[in-house]
Amino acid sequence: DGGITQSPKYLFRKEGQNVTLSCEQNLNHDAMYWYRQDPGQGLRLIYYSQIVNDFQKGDIAEGYSVSREKKESFPLTVTSAQKNPTAFYLCASSTWDSNQPQHFGDGTRLSIL
Amino acid sequence: RKEVEQDPGPFNVPEGATVAFNCTYSNSASQSFFWYRQDCRKEPKLLMSVYSSGNEDGRFTAQLNRASQYISLLIRDSKLSDSATYLCVVNTRNTGFQKLVFGTGTRLLVSP
Repeated sequence: DGGITQSPKYLFRKEGQNVTLSCEQNLNHDAMYWYRQDPGQGLRLIYYSQIVNDFQKGDIAEGYSVSREKKESFPLTVTSAQKNPTAFYLCASSTWDSNQPQHFGDGTRLSIL
Repeated sequence: RKEVEQDPGPFNVPEGATVAFNCTYSNSASQSFFWYRQDCRKEPKLLMSVYSSGNEDGRFTAQLNRASQYISLLIRDSKLSDSATYLCVVNTRNTGFQKLVFGTGTRLLVSP
């Protein structure tokens, strides 16, 4: 079945630690996105990538980094510079057609220990 | 003013009721529109795209009013399983990268 797989489902971060969230898709989508969702707020865009080896900052990129070495994979690193990392992180992908929707993975919940 | 605004609810309705949600957007250049459904602690899932002519999928009907810059979702014959948060999503770009702006969602609770 085609889809987007995020791992792990739950993640705990210690002070000063970097953690990496995995996102893999087999939908053959060119574009991939990372969002953050906080309670009572809409999803906010962290980073996006339109093609391999290219990515751009979204609205709240500070404290995060990404890579796009393969079309299928778009990992997100939450660095120690992100002072409020506790949130629900969602990865999405889409085709280039702006009329087509984005499809989401099932998310990673990150908390601070 | 938020780019996409929704009434957070909750809307409490009995089974079988008809319920409607509205969503307003501020960017008149917005190109495409979607309703997503999000269950508690789960990822958003596409419910339906919203077309200019309006569209229907079973018990769900979506309408777009570009002049007034609002989108609506009508749910007929509500089921218990319709209880969820409904996200209004607007794409403000018309080529390539999709700049999606998400509303904070409207919560629906359907009771027996």
